[in-house]
Parts: sequence; structure tokens; C-alpha cells
Amino acid sequence: SAVISQKPSRDICQRGTSLTIQCQVDSQVTMMFWYRQQPGQSLTLIATANQGSEATYESGFVIDKFPISRPNLTFSTLTVSNMSPEDSSIYLCSVEENGGQGGAYYGYTFGSGTRLTVV
Amino acid sequence: AQSVTQLGSHVSVSEGALVLLRCNYSSSVPPYLFWYVQYPNQGLQLLLKYTTGATLVKGINGFEAEFKKSETSFHLTKPSAHMSDAAEYFCALDSNYQLIWGAGTKLIIKP
Repeated sequence: SAVISQKPSRDICQRGTSLTIQCQVDSQVTMMFWYRQQPGQSLTLIATANQGSEATYESGFVIDKFPISRPNLTFSTLTVSNMSPEDSSIYLCSVEENGGQGGAYYGYTFGSGTRLTVV
Repeated sequence: AQSVTQLGSHVSVSEGALVLLRCNYSSSVPPYLFWYVQYPNQGLQLLLKYTTGATLVKGINGFEAEFKKSETSFHLTKPSAHMSDAAEYFCALDSNYQLIWGAGTKLIIKP
């Protein structure tokens, strides 16, 4: 399966600032996903990022707050803008993996997450 | 609408005892189902998945799950719990390239 490097692993930020999270994959993938996991909760999908097109945001998430870049098939960034304490969460990137020829379905692999604390 | 329900936000078992984490789903199409584990301060690791074929799926670390269509369930089991199994476990359903997540079950292992 793909190996995902996500940076930074954690950060403490001042309110009103922005943080950009990077996700690097060791293979080319079509679909990348960004999730938020608030303390003690399950995962919530922020957006889906496909290379060459605008990211698709889920209800409750907007591009001005969470701009996403997907410049190629192995890399994506998520920016958390104008942060407030309510943005304190773990942010995870994920990729959907399919086998090559034959399209064997593999599933989803996750990065190790970015633990963000906003003070 | 598709959904995933995990029964029990916390499950506590003694070391060496059977682990049973429950997951029920609702889906209008044949589901792809996953169990993920999240250790403290870490990302998510795939334990096992069901796509098609054999309904008893074996995963890593001695875990397995059985897909039961008639019961719309995909419960996770392990015959003998180990202290290292203490973590949060998430059941998820693939709905057209989006994962629908359960709320998670925290597994506590008593010595």
C-alpha cells in the first residue's frame, strides 16, 4: 500500500494565524482526502482533492477557511486559515488505492495526522 | 442514507479475554466495510476490510471480522486480548469513494 508522509506532526498556533499541512505520497494517486478529527470524536471529511480540478468541499467547510492545493498526483496541502481555538483538532490526509490493471480494490490509507492546538 | 453504528463507545475486557467490537451498517448497495485502529497520538491503521467474496475476513494483529448481510453487521473479534490492543477502533463504510464512519469504540484492556 501507499506510504504517506504528513507534516507537521503537531503544532501550536496563535489564533488568527494560518497553518499549512503537507501530505506527500510515495506513489501516484488520483483521489486524496482531508479529514478533521475533533477531540474524542470520529472523522469528518473536509474535502476531496483530485489533481487538476478544484477540491470538493463537504457541507460546513468552505474554501476560504480550508484552501487546498493538489499540484500533482503525489502531493497535496491543506491550509487552516484564520485559526480559532475551535480549529484545534487532528487533521489527516488519506488516499484511495486501487490496484493497477484489473482494478483490484484496496481501500484507503491514512497519514499519521497533524495534531493542531490553537491558543 | 448509508450509515454506520458502533455499539458501545467504550469496551473493557481483561487481558486474555475475547474482544468483540460491534458494528452495524445501513447501505442500499453491497457495502465495502473497513475496520481501522487508532493508537494514542497516531493516525489510522487499516485492520481489515471486506469487499467481496469470503465473509470471514482476517486482518492484522489477530483480529478478524465477519460480514453478515442478514444482520447488516460487521463485528470485529479477537480471541485473546493483549495489552497492546488498547486503542480506539473505527468501523467505516465506503459510499462512492467517501468513507462513512462510526463514532468509534475505545478498547480498554484490564490487566
